Amino acid sequence: DGGITQSPKYLFRKEGQNVTLSCEQNLNHDAMYWYRQDPGQGLRLIYYSQIVNDFQKGDIAEGYSVSREKKESFPLTVTSAQKNPTAFYLCASSIDVQLPTDTQYFGPGTRLTVL
Amino acid sequence: DAKTTQPPSMDCAEGRAANLPCNHSTISGNEYVYWYRQIHSQGPQYIIHGLKNNETNEMASLIITEDRKSSTLILPHATLRDTAVYYCIVPRSTTSGTYKYIFGTGTRLKVLA
Repeated sequence: DGGITQSPKYLFRKEGQNVTLSCEQNLNHDAMYWYRQDPGQGLRLIYYSQIVNDFQKGDIAEGYSVSREKKESFPLTVTSAQKNPTAFYLCASSIDVQLPTDTQYFGPGTRLTVL
Repeated sequence: DAKTTQPPSMDCAEGRAANLPCNHSTISGNEYVYWYRQIHSQGPQYIIHGLKNNETNEMASLIITEDRKSSTLILPHATLRDTAVYYCIVPRSTTSGTYKYIFGTGTRLKVLA
């Protein structure tokens, strides 16, 4: 069954701790993305990766870090430098971010709460 | 700069057609119109996309005006499970040669029993 998995669905952390969110895809897509969503708002791009071992900052990258060591995996670390980390985090993947017809497919999301 | 404008909310009676409008007056010649929906606390789900011709799939129909400045997503027979936020997106080309999705706040569709 092809798709994107994110784990865990809910995550709680204490303020000042780093936390890593998992994202895995078995769609054989080259591109992967991380978005953040706050209540009542649209999604905002944190980081994206076109291919393995490459990634680019999105609109709100401060306080976040990523790695892309494998095609299937694109973990996101929320560091203690992120001022307001409580949010809904969504991972997506697509075939080729350089195509105008590139369709992104989203995972189920991880809701992070920092106490 | 979302490049698209949508009404914040709409209601639709169950079984009737839901017509969701989107204005994208600054769209460029090779830019597509995409529609997604997001049911509460889930990831966005792809619905349909198009360039200039009308498109239809098992979920919906997309009608794009001849000047491409606006479009309408049609859910032909809305059900309670269609209650969601619907996003109209025009992926924007960037200086690095990639296409970027810009999400606005979408239209919150409520299907009424």
